[in-house]
Amino acid sequence: DQQVKQNSPSLSVQEGRISILNCDYTNSMFDYFLWYKKYPAEGPTFLISISSIKDKNEDGRFTVFLNKSAKHLSLHIVPSQPGDSAVYFCAASLTGGGNKLTFGTGTQLKVEL
Amino acid sequence: DAMVIQNPRYQVTQFGKPVTLSCSQTLNHNVMYWYQQKSSQAPKLLFHYYDKDFNNEADTPDNFQSRRPNTSFCFLDIRSPGLGDAAMYLCATTIFGGPNQPQHFGDGTRLSIL
Repeated sequence: DQQVKQNSPSLSVQEGRISILNCDYTNSMFDYFLWYKKYPAEGPTFLISISSIKDKNEDGRFTVFLNKSAKHLSLHIVPSQPGDSAVYFCAASLTGGGNKLTFGTGTQLKVEL
Repeated sequence: DAMVIQNPRYQVTQFGKPVTLSCSQTLNHNVMYWYQQKSSQAPKLLFHYYDKDFNNEADTPDNFQSRRPNTSFCFLDIRSPGLGDAAMYLCATTIFGGPNQPQHFGDGTRLSIL
């Protein structure tokens, strides 16, 4: 049972435009959400997170939006740069869950010149 | 730089031959995790340690074992690897303190089974 879903395996965007990566979850107990970025041959690196008490968190070019009623979150990257080309994983955790993360399957973002 | 290091980066073993993957960290984090990631799939948590306290996921096969001799090191032992165990194995660490503590990952060990 996949509790965190990233339904788009890949996304292609032109440099300078906005990239929107989506994530859906089924477990309403999740109360913290994270995005990780992964380059080939490297481990995932933490990018940005959001608590369920917020609906938006921004860090430079990266913004994460959370819609709890829809159990949906999205990562916006603007403007997109070629160096943003990577696999992006959405992950969720819950208070009392021991910092354990449940990951989605990832979305491969390609930013083209 | 403080980091999480996994060795080796690539490991080839024979069907049924025991193999050990290692992970070390200089972050002094008290929690360490092992994930298995197969192609195009989500990383799947196998087990984790709070300090020396071992926590196994319910669906982790008995074929997978782990050791954490000290804060810095953690090992994943696969006693009798099958073809289905070919995957990327990721080690991660964090400080226990709530879900807002991100995990720090190593670059993984890609395991192949002949």
